Amino acid sequence: KAGVTQTPRYLIKTRGQQVTLSCSPISGHRSVSWYQQTPGQGLQFLFEYFSETQRNKGNFPGRFSGRQFSNSRSEMNVSTLELGDSALYLCASSHPGGEQFFGPGTRLTVL
Amino acid sequence: AQSVAQPEDQVNVAEGNPLTVKCTYSVSGNPYLFWYVQYPNRGLQFLLKYITGDNLVKGSYGFEAEFNKSQTSFHLKKPSALVSDSALYFCAVRPAGVDSSYKLIFGSGTRLLVRP
Repeated sequence: KAGVTQTPRYLIKTRGQQVTLSCSPISGHRSVSWYQQTPGQGLQFLFEYFSETQRNKGNFPGRFSGRQFSNSRSEMNVSTLELGDSALYLCASSHPGGEQFFGPGTRLTVL
Repeated sequence: AQSVAQPEDQVNVAEGNPLTVKCTYSVSGNPYLFWYVQYPNRGLQFLLKYITGDNLVKGSYGFEAEFNKSQTSFHLKKPSALVSDSALYFCAVRPAGVDSSYKLIFGSGTRLLVRP
């Protein structure tokens, strides 16, 4: 089975711009979660989607949003980028047994 | 508040020696517990999980973890470390019973350095 894929792998944006990241889960997995990883804050949960519905949301401002499509692919969007949004954004799809499988991440740099 | 603690920022061990990476948690109910490993510029790789059953869980690459309910700990262990085990290790908890979400709460990570 193919693993979780994320595109793009690297992204450079400037403050005030917006960005969209994409995630394709493992075939058959219906849950997709997003996490932000930074050196200072570590790994923080952004949100989770299951069958196109947001099932849980972390403590992030409304500039961070996401959606899931009928084929379980997911996108997350960050509007009005700030320098502090520079991070590795990880997507994970969930096995029914509970474990999450992570993609390689998208490295976002905000200048 | 629900939390996961990894008290050691870094663990140093010689190749061939046993290793332990510590994790304690503070979560209500009976959580699911996980260990992940991250190599440079890579995503997280699943190592093992505990949901219920035997307190000693075996996982990938020779790793195992011991669940201790009374001490709310889930320490990662390996009998004989390899240089290639050097990486960043994360303990994670999925609270059970709160909702059906797969949300994970991660510890801060422990860097494992295995010297030849």
